[in-house]
Amino acid sequence: KNEVEQSPQNLTAQEGEFITINCSYSVGISALHWLQQHPGGGIVSLFMLSSGKKKHGRLIATINIQEKHSSLHITASHPRDSAVYICAVRSRGGATNKLIFGTGTLLAVQP
Amino acid sequence: SQTIHQWPATLVQPVGSPLSLECTVEGTSNPNLYWYRQAAGRGLQLLFYSVGIGQISSEVPQNLSASRPQDRQFILSSKKLLLSDSGFYLCAWSEDSLFSPLHFGNGTRLTVT
Repeated sequence: KNEVEQSPQNLTAQEGEFITINCSYSVGISALHWLQQHPGGGIVSLFMLSSGKKKHGRLIATINIQEKHSSLHITASHPRDSAVYICAVRSRGGATNKLIFGTGTLLAVQP
Repeated sequence: SQTIHQWPATLVQPVGSPLSLECTVEGTSNPNLYWYRQAAGRGLQLLFYSVGIGQISSEVPQNLSASRPQDRQFILSSKKLLLSDSGFYLCAWSEDSLFSPLHFGNGTRLTVT
């Protein structure tokens, strides 16, 4: 079993839908990252959080440390949101920014 | 502002040939530098990280090596490529802080034939 699990692995949505991607982890962590990988391969860091909730535009990330779970929400989804979304955690006591990655969620938003 | 450059974008190399991928960072000093590999259908795997010039930590035993000859330069190398070295390689940097985000290069898609 992977230390970081994402669900779903694949997600197809219609433009405008509210989208949720989930991440569960089995280790104690000091921080959790959400990353976006575009079809060309480039990766962009969306959020880094250690508690609570963060919002940036139409994206919202939440984390529940007790339940070892995080969610990434996209409101009013758009075809340009189509990408792979990756959850990654830094285990507590781990060296600087050594992250454990999930295998990603492939999101396709159809017009 | 900080930028990260990684090249080449794509590379096709025969088995047994050498490899050199280069990554440079601009606009920051003493960054932490990382090499990741993403194999098809698998998550990102940390290969090497460096917290300073000449300081390299290897995460997994493999056919690859890394060097940091200058503060903002990180090189991934192999003397003889294997078929299993094919994949998508990403360089990244972060500040030396527990809560610094990672900034990725655009990646190199390596195919070993």
